[in-house]
Amino acid sequence: DIQLTQSPSSMSASLGDRVSLTCQSSQGIGNYLSWYQHKPGKPPKPMIYYATNLADGVPSRFSGSRSGSDYSLTISSLESEDTAIYYCLQYDEYPRTFGGGTKLELK
Amino acid sequence: EVQLVESGGGLVQPGRSLKLSCAASGFTFSNYYMAWVRQAPKKGLEWVATISTSGSRTYYPDSVKGRFTISRDNAKSSLYLQMNSLKSEDTATYYCARDNYGWFAYWGQGTLVTVSS
Repeated sequence: DIQLTQSPSSMSASLGDRVSLTCQSSQGIGNYLSWYQHKPGKPPKPMIYYATNLADGVPSRFSGSRSGSDYSLTISSLESEDTAIYYCLQYDEYPRTFGGGTKLELK
Repeated sequence: EVQLVESGGGLVQPGRSLKLSCAASGFTFSNYYMAWVRQAPKKGLEWVATISTSGSRTYYPDSVKGRFTISRDNAKSSLYLQMNSLKSEDTATYYCARDNYGWFAYWGQGTLVTVSS
């Protein structure tokens, strides 16, 4: 099975900061990676698909990138509503696998 | 507007069965793969099952293979998850999701399944 390792597992940042979250794949998955924002009591919200494509309705301060087997979700200027747990998902092959998540908090 | 509404969750004893349902609307249900994803308390997200448009192909992780069965009724725009031989580790919120060529573009609000004696 493909393993996705997210780092850091948790972090805190200030309003307006540029924040980058990382997801590393144990094997090649091309661009078949998506990102989800998950807040307590709500369903996960898709943010990025195919590594770099913004999902519908996602603010432009979010972006996705890839460097080899490392994938990043970047928030250009952190807002209070961005506090959540972020998960990556690979959909290159079955079984689908999620990363362990990164909890993003405000400093 | 795409809507996915899960139902059927509840408290069930270990070893027993439960069937979840997901009512879909706002899109042509028969055109999309569908999936179930769960989140156990204080844990991360876990993919549970995926079904093809016709229902002829199904996919599961080892953790539920042989115990869970995903199915669909395209005439009713409904997705199901039959869960047998339930274990305490199956306790989770179960989400129905629309599969957009692999990634999950829409999610329901979730239904809680608690496996406990």
